Amino acid sequence: AQKVTQAQTEISVVEKEDVTLDCVYETRDTTYYLFWYKQPPSGELVFLIRRNSFDEQNEISGRYSWNFQKSTSSFNFTITASQVVDSAVYFCALSRGEGGSEKLVFGKGTKLTVNP
Amino acid sequence: AAGVIQSPRHLIKEKRETATLKCYPIPRHDTVYWYQQGPGQDPQFLISFYEKMQSDKGSIPDRFSAQQFSDYHSELNMSSLELGDSALYFCASSQGTSGVPEQYFGPGTRLTVT
Repeated sequence: AQKVTQAQTEISVVEKEDVTLDCVYETRDTTYYLFWYKQPPSGELVFLIRRNSFDEQNEISGRYSWNFQKSTSSFNFTITASQVVDSAVYFCALSRGEGGSEKLVFGKGTKLTVNP
Repeated sequence: AAGVIQSPRHLIKEKRETATLKCYPIPRHDTVYWYQQGPGQDPQFLISFYEKMQSDKGSIPDRFSAQQFSDYHSELNMSSLELGDSALYFCASSQGTSGVPEQYFGPGTRLTVT
């Protein structure tokens, strides 16, 4: 069975602070995908990033970066120099890698509030 | 770029009524998914279709059914509605078999059952 745990329920920071969102996953699959989605107060779910289980290279994209470590089953997401518009619920999600058309299993989400 | 389209955006129904939610996936995406998100909860997978055939089924009540049509749009039919069915219903699509597994979500349909 697959499981995603986001231990941080809510985080509050002041604008321009860096913030890291934690995600720990469980899966028996050898091939899988990990994702981060953002859900702003307006309600839509916005895809942010995806990592493949066989690619542990960590990357930076603008103000976003992520740290994928298979040894600890973690896929953490960092926002640098946070902005008020980053305020949202962030979901970490996992899917099986077989076929590529598999359902997403979400964590409970972390609500990020960025104060001016 | 084209996005996933869902209609209606808001729907108010009474208990025991029926509801039909529609989804138009991104063109050339081969898989459609339906998710239910209750207040303050994470999205829960209901059902998916790959090339118009049901491919996976999650915690979907027997009162719900779904299908994907020849033009690739999908409909989620909900009967005998209960208060607990009040939620945000998302449709998503992906091009998974082309090595692009990320799912793109529509804006959701907010269903309120009174």
